[in-house]
Amino acid sequence: RKEVEQDPGPFNVPEGATVAFNCTYSNSASQSFFWYRQDCRKEPKLLMSVYSSGNEDGRFTAQLNRASQYISLLIRDSKLSDSATYLCVRPSGSARQLTFGSGTQLTVLP
Amino acid sequence: NAGVMQNPRHLVRRRGQEARLRCSPMKGHSHVYWYRQLPEEGLKFMVYLQKENIIDESGMPKERFSAEFPKEGPSILRIQQVVRGDSAAYFCASSPGGTSGRETQYFGPGTRLLVL
Repeated sequence: RKEVEQDPGPFNVPEGATVAFNCTYSNSASQSFFWYRQDCRKEPKLLMSVYSSGNEDGRFTAQLNRASQYISLLIRDSKLSDSATYLCVRPSGSARQLTFGSGTQLTVLP
Repeated sequence: NAGVMQNPRHLVRRRGQEARLRCSPMKGHSHVYWYRQLPEEGLKFMVYLQKENIIDESGMPKERFSAEFPKEGPSILRIQQVVRGDSAAYFCASSPGGTSGRETQYFGPGTRLLVL
């Protein structure tokens, strides 16, 4: 089982829709996670950090379910600019390594 | 405050040549990380460095790859005798260097290496 697993998608949703991605992880000792977004051929950019049960920032909500070992990202009222690949990330090793999922591709359609 | 800078942005090499990728961390950051993203794949950790020290190189291929972060100047990722399989995007990230291990890593724009 991969350390961090994501549904690759693609998710194609209309503007204004609510969309949710899940990410499962294999190491039950993991304490924190990140969601990064990566635009085509660009660098990853931090979207949200998840240190406890969840985090909310505007239209974005991340939740962590330790019992089932998954984290989710919910995007409400999606915008065209939300189109990107969303990467589920776990610190590992010395907590300095980031382990990336392969990403979930989202396209928001007009 | 300039972000993480990488150069060159694009690099073309023929098989057998050497590739040198440079990374200047954000101002005030003392920790540098290198990641590789193969086509259609996720980012993979390669190495973590502090000034003049390699802290964790568990993700580095055993041969042909080396990294340094000298006291002065940028961090360098060096690939000797490149092969076609080295073609990838190489991202550098930096962080301030606290003790919690929870620091955000800020990524540079990447160097896209193409081996012909």
